[in-house]
Amino acid sequence: EAGVAQSPRYKIIEKRQSVAFWCNPISGHATLYWYQQILGQGPKLLIQFQNNGVVDDSQLPKDRFSAERLKGVDSTLKIQPAKLEDSAVYLCASSPGTSGAYNEQFFGPGTRLTVL
Amino acid sequence: GQQVMQIPQYQHVQEGEDFTTYCNSSTTLSNIQWYKQRPGGHPVFLIQLVKSGEVKKQKRLTFQFGEAKKNSSLHITATQTTDVGTYFCAGGDNYGQNFVFGPGTRLSVLP
Repeated sequence: EAGVAQSPRYKIIEKRQSVAFWCNPISGHATLYWYQQILGQGPKLLIQFQNNGVVDDSQLPKDRFSAERLKGVDSTLKIQPAKLEDSAVYLCASSPGTSGAYNEQFFGPGTRLTVL
Repeated sequence: GQQVMQIPQYQHVQEGEDFTTYCNSSTTLSNIQWYKQRPGGHPVFLIQLVKSGEVKKQKRLTFQFGEAKKNSSLHITATQTTDVGTYFCAGGDNYGQNFVFGPGTRLSVLP
């Protein structure tokens, strides 16, 4: 079974530029998560999708971050414009079923973003 | 909002010694999950506890969920160098939302 795929693996941009990350979850997984993990900290949930609907985006900085999962499969996370404090690893995870918080989450390898 | 804390932040042990990390939530959790993240890697699911007072074992690892469902612990017996990594607890509220990770406990095992 293929795991969660993410691209790119690394990205370096300058502040005020835009960046997009892509995630393809495990086939058949209804729930998809985007996390931000700053070095030395635990992952912070940015947004949770169930199929193509948003379940929780309470911690997403909506003035600069956006995410979509149009067909209920793969997803993109965008930052526009980026700030220095956005430097982090962006992790995508997926889980089977629709009770997101009650299911094992499978994480992708992450995208390491550096904002200069 | 819901906050999850873990202690200790770091732990250095000699190979063969035991290790315990504690997780405390500011609110009652519907469940608690534990993940392990190796240096440079991504979090990997270890276990989920749902019931009050639940105890589960996986070989040398013992997981416990508190009676009030606000705290949890992970105990490793006779650590090995393969146990090196950061251990995170995470949990959500009774509505299946507000899923929060703790800051993690970084374990170093000296051979």
